[in-house]
Amino acid sequence: AQKVTQAQTEISVVEKEDVTLDCVYETRDTTYYLFWYKQPPSGELVFLIRRNSFDEQNEISGRYSWNFQKSTSSFNFTITASQVVDSAVYFCALSNLSWGKLQFGAGTQVVVTP
Amino acid sequence: EAGVTQFPSHSVIEKGQTVTLRCDPISGHDNLYWYRRVMGKEIKFLLHFVKESKQDESGMPNNRFLAERTGGTYSTLKVQPAELEDSGVYFCASSLRQGEGYTFGSGTRLTVV
Repeated sequence: AQKVTQAQTEISVVEKEDVTLDCVYETRDTTYYLFWYKQPPSGELVFLIRRNSFDEQNEISGRYSWNFQKSTSSFNFTITASQVVDSAVYFCALSNLSWGKLQFGAGTQVVVTP
Repeated sequence: EAGVTQFPSHSVIEKGQTVTLRCDPISGHDNLYWYRRVMGKEIKFLLHFVKESKQDESGMPNNRFLAERTGGTYSTLKVQPAELEDSGVYFCASSLRQGEGYTFGSGTRLTVV
């Protein structure tokens, strides 16, 4: 069975601080895909990244970076120099197919105050 | 291009009533998915349509939930009768082809009182 754990329910930071969101997953599949989504106050789920299990390279996109470590089954997400617009709920998800049924974590609420 | 549209955005109903949620996928998208997030927990898969056929309905919680996609365009999700534990946010997503990235809608927030 697949499982995604986001242990942090809420993280509060002051603008310009860095924030790291933890994601730990469980799966018996050798091929799988990991995702991060952002849910801003407007409600829609916004796709951020998809990573397959064979690509352990870290990725950076602007102020966002992701650290994938198969040895610890973790796919952590860091926002550098946070901004108020980063305030949202962030979800980590897992799928055994490239874009199959997604198994989500419970989400982490990020609150960035000025 | 219009995104995935969900109606209504919010719905408050009494326990025992019926509610129908609607999802309009991106035009031409054959694949349509329903997910829901209950009580601040994880978002859970409900079902997947390919055109008008149910490809996977393993996540449907019980027979009070009925999903349809007549003609392979928009989809409805009916809850009858609604229970308190059905409260949550119901998301719809669509993709052009299976295995391709899908786009989520803004969700319908359902509150059963």
